[in-house]
Amino acid sequence: GEDVEQSLFLSVREGDSSVINCTYTDSSSTYLYWYKQEPGAGLQLLTYIFSNMDMKQDQRLTVLLNKKDKHLSLRIADTQTGDSAIYFCAESIKSRSSASKIIFGSGTRLSIRP
Amino acid sequence: KAGVTQTPRYLIKTRGQQVTLSCSPISGHRSVSWYQQTPGQGLQFLFEYFSETQRNKGNFPGRFSGRQFSNSRSEMNVSTLELGDSALYLCASSLELGDTEAFFGQGTRLTVV
Repeated sequence: GEDVEQSLFLSVREGDSSVINCTYTDSSSTYLYWYKQEPGAGLQLLTYIFSNMDMKQDQRLTVLLNKKDKHLSLRIADTQTGDSAIYFCAESIKSRSSASKIIFGSGTRLSIRP
Repeated sequence: KAGVTQTPRYLIKTRGQQVTLSCSPISGHRSVSWYQQTPGQGLQFLFEYFSETQRNKGNFPGRFSGRQFSNSRSEMNVSTLELGDSALYLCASSLELGDTEAFFGQGTRLTVV
């Protein structure tokens, strides 16, 4: 089946690291993504990882993928107030026609406390 | 380079009416996908268009349809609107069919009353 799950809320202190976790069920996913959505805005692609990689680092962002456990995480170092948003974990699933669709989790609302 | 442009940004319609939403992809991008975002169901895939053909479809009733023009711009149409169709409709543009990176527009917020 196609299902992506993530916790709904995370609260961290400014300056600490945030870790947002996600699990997915479809082992045929090709890419896994993290998107950010700020209030009233569309989705911003933060980073993605190919399914045969286990880690990707991009400035303050670190993505870890455990393919065996179908677990994906996003670590944001030195969390700032501007990081407050909803973070969506997503997987890309290709159909036989090479078209793809992205299956999204329910989103984790990250709030930063001073 | 301009991003993905969706028009209108906000729309209010009455039950039973029909609505057309528009999406202009990033210049040079040929694939357009549509998603519906609601508080209850989250983000759900509607369909993907490439070369003016629907290539992939989500689990939505036939009231939801779309099309793509030769310049890659896409429209989606919802007929016989229901209250439950109230949502943020997001369009995503990619260079090619099934491409790794999908860039999203700001969305059209549809309210059905």
